[in-house]
Amino acid sequence: KQEVTQIPAALSVPEGENLVLNCSFTDSAIYNLQWFRQDPGKGLTSLLLIQSSQREQTSGRLNASLDKSSGRSTLYIAASQPGDSATYLCAVARGSTLGRLYFGRGTQLTVWP
Amino acid sequence: NAGVTQTPKFRVLKTGQSMTLLCAQDMNHEYMYWYRQDPGMGLRLIHYSVGEGTTAKGEVPDGYNVSRLKKQNFLLGLESAAPSQTSVYFCASSYSLSGNEQFFGPGTRLTVL
Repeated sequence: KQEVTQIPAALSVPEGENLVLNCSFTDSAIYNLQWFRQDPGKGLTSLLLIQSSQREQTSGRLNASLDKSSGRSTLYIAASQPGDSATYLCAVARGSTLGRLYFGRGTQLTVWP
Repeated sequence: NAGVTQTPKFRVLKTGQSMTLLCAQDMNHEYMYWYRQDPGMGLRLIHYSVGEGTTAKGEVPDGYNVSRLKKQNFLLGLESAAPSQTSVYFCASSYSLSGNEQFFGPGTRLTVL
């Protein structure tokens, strides 16, 4: 069974800091890994999708890396802003259970001015 | 494009009542999914559909039924609601099963008394 763990569970930083969110998964046989953002009371917004053949993806101040062999992904946020405050979720898609995303429990990020 | 929409946004039911949650997408996606999100449990897949007229069970299907009569709509039904079904329900869609990112709706907050 695929298990996804996100560390830390919560993070509070001052504005302007560069930060790293971690995601680990137990089964390296994945199709892709997706990072989401969830604001309180809202749905999930897709941030980055990394295919299993890729090592990283970038979008603006966000950079996500994937190391399948070690079962790890990191989301790097550069020059954090108060608007980045949200819960960040990591999810993996496995080849053996097509269609299902395995989610971590998220990292709750607070960026204070 | 509205993306993925869900109705209703909120609902309160009494134990034993029935209801249907509606999900609609305008992206011409083949694949649609229903998840539930509970505190401390993360998101879990209830049912999914790989195309019009087809459905499949996910991780936690008991107590729910689904239908996909039209490609753009995916309905989730609760025949006899139980307090354990109090949750936030999210619908998602994707172009393919594993290779493409999933897009999520805003969610339905359901309380069963």
